[in-house]
Amino acid sequence: SQQGEEDPQALSIQEGENATMNCSYKTSINNLQWYRQNSGRGLVHLILIRSNEREKHSGRLRVTLDTSKKSSSLLITASRAADTASYFCATDPQTGANNLFFGTGTRLTVIP
Amino acid sequence: SQTIHQWPATLVQPVGSPLSLECTVEGTSNPNLYWYRQAAGRGLQLLFYSVGIGQISSEVPQNLSASRPQDRQFILSSKKLLLSDSGFYLCAWSVHKQMNTEAFFGQGTRLTVV
Repeated sequence: SQQGEEDPQALSIQEGENATMNCSYKTSINNLQWYRQNSGRGLVHLILIRSNEREKHSGRLRVTLDTSKKSSSLLITASRAADTASYFCATDPQTGANNLFFGTGTRLTVIP
Repeated sequence: SQTIHQWPATLVQPVGSPLSLECTVEGTSNPNLYWYRQAAGRGLQLLFYSVGIGQISSEVPQNLSASRPQDRQFILSSKKLLLSDSGFYLCAWSVHKQMNTEAFFGQGTRLTVV
């Protein structure tokens, strides 16, 4: 399977704390992306990190990528109640097909 | 700007009935198009993708089929639904032949087969 796996499956934190989610994958990739999904809605793209990048920032988001370990992490700093959602990593494998394969997601709950 | 429309938002269908879900994209040409299915509380499973009119690739064997009759129209179909076809179906598009590009998702269709 080309799908990734996130851990933890669920995470509950207090508002203002940092949230860290991890993703592991199996194939060589062009890039890895993180998406957010509010309950019962479509996915929204958050950030893309290329295979030759190790760290990327966007606002309160920080993503790392370790291609030797085939893993990535998403850090959300100073969390807010509005960050409550499911977060998915997606890999774009080096197959040339330009497809994305999604992990199983982490359900984040930020308690006000 | 580009937009993606997916309908209906919810659908309840009896076992054995046909299915047709439609997805259209506006504001772009020759997009890559995708159908994903998401089981309750799970990740997304890629069902079909298309890189052009009439070009459909399937990722998993299943009871469903897909068609792309027009450049920006992607249809997911079934002749006879099974209970196991229940789920949340998401259509998405990305820029054709562009590396390191993101996917843009529709709002999804919640299908319940009863």
